[in-house]
Amino acid sequence: GAVVSQHPSWVICKSGTSVKIECRSLDFQATTMFWYRQFPKQSLMLMATSNEGSKATYEQGVEKDKFLINHASLTLSTLTVTSAHPEDSSFYICSARGGSSSSYNEQFFGPGTRLTVL
Amino acid sequence: GENVEQHPSTLSVQEGDSAVIKCTYSDSASNYFPWYKQELGKRPQLIIDIRSNVGEKKDQRIAVTLNKTAKHFSLHITETQPEDSAVYFCAASMSRGAQKLVFGQGTRLTINP
Repeated sequence: GAVVSQHPSWVICKSGTSVKIECRSLDFQATTMFWYRQFPKQSLMLMATSNEGSKATYEQGVEKDKFLINHASLTLSTLTVTSAHPEDSSFYICSARGGSSSSYNEQFFGPGTRLTVL
Repeated sequence: GENVEQHPSTLSVQEGDSAVIKCTYSDSASNYFPWYKQELGKRPQLIIDIRSNVGEKKDQRIAVTLNKTAKHFSLHITETQPEDSAVYFCAASMSRGAQKLVFGQGTRLTINP
């Protein structure tokens, strides 16, 4: 149980275009989802926290108008990188945390999406 | 906010020896401390976690210790094997609010055959 999927697994796009990444909890309801960015040989940096049906909470320094997050259902959150530029190239990973029935605090990670902006 | 420091950044040990990775955290309110193993291009995999109400937890060759007073926790891997080679991350989280995970900088562990 506790499987999280991400789509696509990798994407290459041109500078200035927008890219949408989906994160789904397949076998549980995710009350909270998190979006991370990981640059090569670096740690995971939290970008934002999203709760189903409410606006995402962004970490300091993350542009909310550039990284649009939608958490419209308990099993789906999306991250849209708008007007992507080469510096946005990174590994984007989502995680999901369930409700009271799930292990306290534990987050379940998606497989990640490798974004390359040309 | 919470800050997690992890050492060393790289660690190389002979197969069969033990490996120890250490982390410190800043916020005494943190009460959940997971350890993740990440292979290149893959998702982080939870290998063990500990909560603040216990001082030590063991799962086969892996153990974690927690010192709440000193605000540090450590990962111990015994009888290391080549497949243990990966990047390991510690993290800390609080029970209140969004329960965000704050990650350490990571340790690249290499097991030499």
